[in-house]
Amino acid sequence: DIQMTQSPSSLSASVGDRVTITCRASQSISNWLAWYQQKPGKAPKLLIYRASSLESGVPSTFSGSGSGTEFTLTISSLQPDDFASYYCHQYNSYSPTFGQGTKVEIK
Amino acid sequence: QVELVESGGAVVQPGGSLRLSCAASGITLSSYGMHWVRQAPGKGLEWVTFIEYNGRDKNYADSVEGRFTVSRDISKNTVFLQMDSLRHEDTAVYYCARGRGPPPQQHFDQWGQGTLVTVSS
Repeated sequence: DIQMTQSPSSLSASVGDRVTITCRASQSISNWLAWYQQKPGKAPKLLIYRASSLESGVPSTFSGSGSGTEFTLTISSLQPDDFASYYCHQYNSYSPTFGQGTKVEIK
Repeated sequence: QVELVESGGAVVQPGGSLRLSCAASGITLSSYGMHWVRQAPGKGLEWVTFIEYNGRDKNYADSVEGRFTVSRDISKNTVFLQMDSLRHEDTAVYYCARGRGPPPQQHFDQWGQGTLVTVSS
C-alpha cells in the first residue's frame, strides 16, 4: 500500500495566519490527492481534489498544490471556523490511504 | 440534496457479527461507487471497502478482507457492510461515502454522519 506521511501532526496558529500542511507519498500518485477537514464529532468534508481543485462552496482561502510525491494544503488567512483536523487522501489505486492528520489549534 | 444516513452500529462481543446500513437519498446508487471509511476513537481515517456502481466490483482493505462483505440493494437505495469475526481493533465510527470520479481514482465528496461500532466483552 502507498503510505502517506503528513506533517506536522499538530500546530498552533492565530486568526489571520498563513498555514501550510504537507503530505508526502511513498511512491508517485500523480495528482490523485484530496484534502479533507474534520471537526470533532462530525464527518470529514472535502476541500480539495486532484491535488489543486477547490471543491464547490469551499472558501478560496484554501488551496492545494503538488504532484508526484509532495503535496501541500495552504490556508492563506486562518479564520475561526478553520480550527479543525485536516487529512490528506491518496486515491491512485484500489487501496486508498490517508495521512495521519493535522490538528490546527488556536494559539 | 444528497444525504447518506448510516445505521446499525452497536456494542458487540469479539467474534460477533453486525450489519451496517447506509441509506442514500438524492442520488441513485446504481450511478455511483460507494465506500466505507472508519475512524477508531481519537485516531485517523482508514478506508475499509468499496463497491462499484455496477454492484459487482468490490475491494477491501487487508485488515478486513475475508471478514467484511459489502453489498447493496438498489430497490432500497442502500449499501450494507456485513461485519463478521469482529475484533477489538474494529471498534470505530464507520462512515459511508460517495466516490466521485472514474475508479479506482475516486475521492469522497459526500459523507454520512457515521455510526459507532464497539467491540467489547
